[in-house]
Amino acid sequence: EAQVTQNPRYLITVTGKKLTVTCSQNMNHEYMSWYRQDPGLGLRQIYYSMNVEVTDKGDVPEGYKVSRKEKRNFPLILESPSPNQTSLYFCASSRDGGATEAFFGQGTRLTVV
Amino acid sequence: QKEVEQDPGPLSVPEGAIVSLNCTYSNSAFQYFMWYRQYSRKGPELLMYTYSSGNKEDGRFTAQVDKSSKYISLFIRDSQPSDSATYLCAMKRGRTGFQKLVFGTGTRLLVSP
Repeated sequence: EAQVTQNPRYLITVTGKKLTVTCSQNMNHEYMSWYRQDPGLGLRQIYYSMNVEVTDKGDVPEGYKVSRKEKRNFPLILESPSPNQTSLYFCASSRDGGATEAFFGQGTRLTVV
Repeated sequence: QKEVEQDPGPLSVPEGAIVSLNCTYSNSAFQYFMWYRQYSRKGPELLMYTYSSGNKEDGRFTAQVDKSSKYISLFIRDSQPSDSATYLCAMKRGRTGFQKLVFGTGTRLLVSP
């Protein structure tokens, strides 16, 4: 089954404690992205990757890091989380990145206290 | 001003009603238009995808694009309780290379039995 898998689904952490949200896709897609979803603001892109070792900033990259060492994995790293990073996070992947981003993960609800 | 505007709702309708969901946008460079459906606690899933102006039909769903008015619509005929979800419009400028999706904030739809 084609899917994008994120872990964990729910996470509560404290300010400043480094965390990683993992994302893995099994469709051999080249393009992967991270979004955050906030009420009234919709989905906003954090980072994207067009291929292994190729990443670039989206609209709201501050406070986040990513890496793409393997095609299937695209982890999101918060080095020093702050309460304003409390949000619902989605990883997405697509075959070509040009037309659609058809596959989203189930989401990770992060709370930073 | 946001690039894409979408009424957050909620929009409440009885089962069997025709539903009209809409987005307006400001950037005339957008050429690819998508509708995503997002159930509670799930990631968005691609519902409809259209290019430029015109209509596209898929079962009970019709997507309509009016580029002259910068206005897109999604019509749902014979709405069902299972259609209760948040509907997100999204758009992109081009097909080749990586093109960022710009999302509306989503409209929450409630279909009552």
